[in-house]
Amino acid sequence: QVQLQESGPGLVKPSGTLSLTCAVSGVYIGYNNYWTWVRQPPGKGLEWIGEIYHGGITNYSPSLKSRVTISVDKSKTQFSLKLSSVTAADSAVYYCATAPSRVSPFDSWGQGTLVTVSS
Amino acid sequence: SSELTQDPAVSVALGQTVRITCQGDSLSNYYVNWYQQKPGLAPVVVMYGQNHRPSGIPDRISGSSSGNTASLTITGAQAEDEAKYYCSSRYSSDNHVVFGGGTTLTVL
Repeated sequence: QVQLQESGPGLVKPSGTLSLTCAVSGVYIGYNNYWTWVRQPPGKGLEWIGEIYHGGITNYSPSLKSRVTISVDKSKTQFSLKLSSVTAADSAVYYCATAPSRVSPFDSWGQGTLVTVSS
Repeated sequence: SSELTQDPAVSVALGQTVRITCQGDSLSNYYVNWYQQKPGLAPVVVMYGQNHRPSGIPDRISGSSSGNTASLTITGAQAEDEAKYYCSSRYSSDNHVVFGGGTTLTVL
């Protein structure tokens, strides 16, 4: 059974960089799955941030592409999100999730972690 | 357009049938997934692909798609079905994932 767990600072200053890690257990993080970040501002809907798959190919939301980096650390069985130049609009619950393939749904999710952007 | 449109809210009487829709240009040409989210919890997939139901999801939940509309139908709605439902698809030529705005289902 795949388990995902987000971790990282809950408070980030404006113009800073948001950095989160998703620890993966129950499945090899290497090649097959699509490793994804999704966020949800308080009281709002889900927004796909981007993904990494096939060991290192990335695919980002067009609206966030200029600020997002997703990477995977196979040795640590985790993948990470970096979002630069954050503003209050980036405050949200951030989820990591995974799908077995491109056509599969996200069938495993972390519990989510709230990140607030504030000085 | 790469947007998926959902009604913000629908309600259904206990035990009755409700359909939650998701609209997008030629949406039936794409795999559509449906997620259920309850307050404070991560989303859970309740329907995926061509009307496939994950294990553990009750068979009163079903999916369909035709033309520009994908639908999630709950037949005999129960109190535990009260949640927000999101449709999602790789609904773009660039393989990006798109979520609909979500539909809040109230069971009366």
